[in-house]
Amino acid sequence: EVQLVESGGGLVQPGGSLRLSCAASGFTFSSSPMCWVRQAPGKGLAWVASISASGGSTYHADSVKGRFTISRDNSKNTLYLQMNSLTAGDTAVYYCAKGNTFGDFWGQGVLVTVSS
Amino acid sequence: EIVLTQSPGILSLSPGERATLSCRASQSVSSNYLAWYQQRPGQAPRLLIYGASSRATGIPDRFSGSGSGTDFTLTINRLEPEDFAVFYCQQYGSSPLTFGGGTKVEIK
Repeated sequence: EVQLVESGGGLVQPGGSLRLSCAASGFTFSSSPMCWVRQAPGKGLAWVASISASGGSTYHADSVKGRFTISRDNSKNTLYLQMNSLTAGDTAVYYCAKGNTFGDFWGQGVLVTVSS
Repeated sequence: EIVLTQSPGILSLSPGERATLSCRASQSVSSNYLAWYQQRPGQAPRLLIYGASSRATGIPDRFSGSGSGTDFTLTINRLEPEDFAVFYCQQYGSSPLTFGGGTKVEIK
């Protein structure tokens, strides 16, 4: 059974940092491109970042470029999102998803709240 | 950036009826690389359709996708109680990946 479990969310002050993790199981993680998608409260979905299976190629939305970094550790079957210089506009549920074009399986999400 | 516009915003229907959801792109979607997702309240999105018309694994055949270029449709035949949710389209033919604003299918 495919499982994606996000962690690392919480309340952070503007300008702060957080690192999200996504633990994967039930499929060959090292062969799967992955991505992060976020959803602001009561709003729609927005792609954040994608990474190739090897980790050698990464792509970030313009809205997070230079502040967020997607990475992975295939030895630990884990996907990461390092988020720096957070603003209120980054408040959202962050989902990790399997795939880097469309997401064929999604985790349950983790809430990130940026507020003073 | 390709902008996806979904209509209607809200669709009020009864169980057993057919739902027709529209997704219109601001420019042609390359290779019809368009996906549809269902999101129930408090849950993660679930992939329904990819490549405009291919059903994802385990998706009932009452869900079907069609269209090409700039106009795409998701049809749900004989709505079941568990089908009432928000539906999103997403294009993956060009960067950045973009989503539509969603259509809520609610019980009439």
